[in-house]
Amino acid sequence: EVQMVESGGGLVQPGGSLRLSCAASGFSLSTYWISWVRQAPGKGLEWVANINQDGGKKYYVDSVKGRFTLSRDNAKNSVFLQMNSLRAEDTAVYYCASAIAAVDCSWGQGTLVTDSS
Amino acid sequence: QSVLTQPPSVSAAPGQKVTISCSGSSSNIGNNHAFWYQQQVPGTAPKLLIYDNDKRPSRIPDRFSGSKSDTSATLGITGLQTGDEADYYCGSWDNSLSALVFGGGTKLTVL
Repeated sequence: EVQMVESGGGLVQPGGSLRLSCAASGFSLSTYWISWVRQAPGKGLEWVANINQDGGKKYYVDSVKGRFTLSRDNAKNSVFLQMNSLRAEDTAVYYCASAIAAVDCSWGQGTLVTDSS
Repeated sequence: QSVLTQPPSVSAAPGQKVTISCSGSSSNIGNNHAFWYQQQVPGTAPKLLIYDNDKRPSRIPDRFSGSKSDTSATLGITGLQTGDEADYYCGSWDNSLSALVFGGGTKLTVL
């Protein structure tokens, strides 16, 4: 079964850090661009960042540039989102998605990041 | 303010047809493909309905269609069912921002 599973979310104080993980099973992540998309409570979808197959290309939404860093380990079939200097407005459900705009896209169930203040 | 503009809400009766517009610019839809997602419950993973402007994954019924003209994209849904009530999002890559952009979302109500 093709599946993507996010983990690492939780309660965090403003200014704190979290590392989200996205692990795939049933297929190899290594052939796909991987995106992170978030949804704040009561709000729409917001693309956060993406990374290409070998990790050589990364793009970020302006609001997280300099604070969030994407990486991937194809040997572990996983992608990681390091989030530093977290703000209240980063509170959201975070999804990872492979091939987000293609026929073989796959999304995880999401992991919640919440501001503890 | 989203880069892609969608109406906040649309509504129609069961069995009827509805269209949802997505207005962009030459930086995004005008020069890149558009795609559409359906999210039936906020906070749960959305489902891809349309990719490459007008292509449907095989699991998506042909009641759903997509089109693109110049800098705008449109999602059409025919034979509306109560199960179609959901939030719908368009998206595209934006060359100026070097970012993927979503519309603000449209809530469909089937009266």
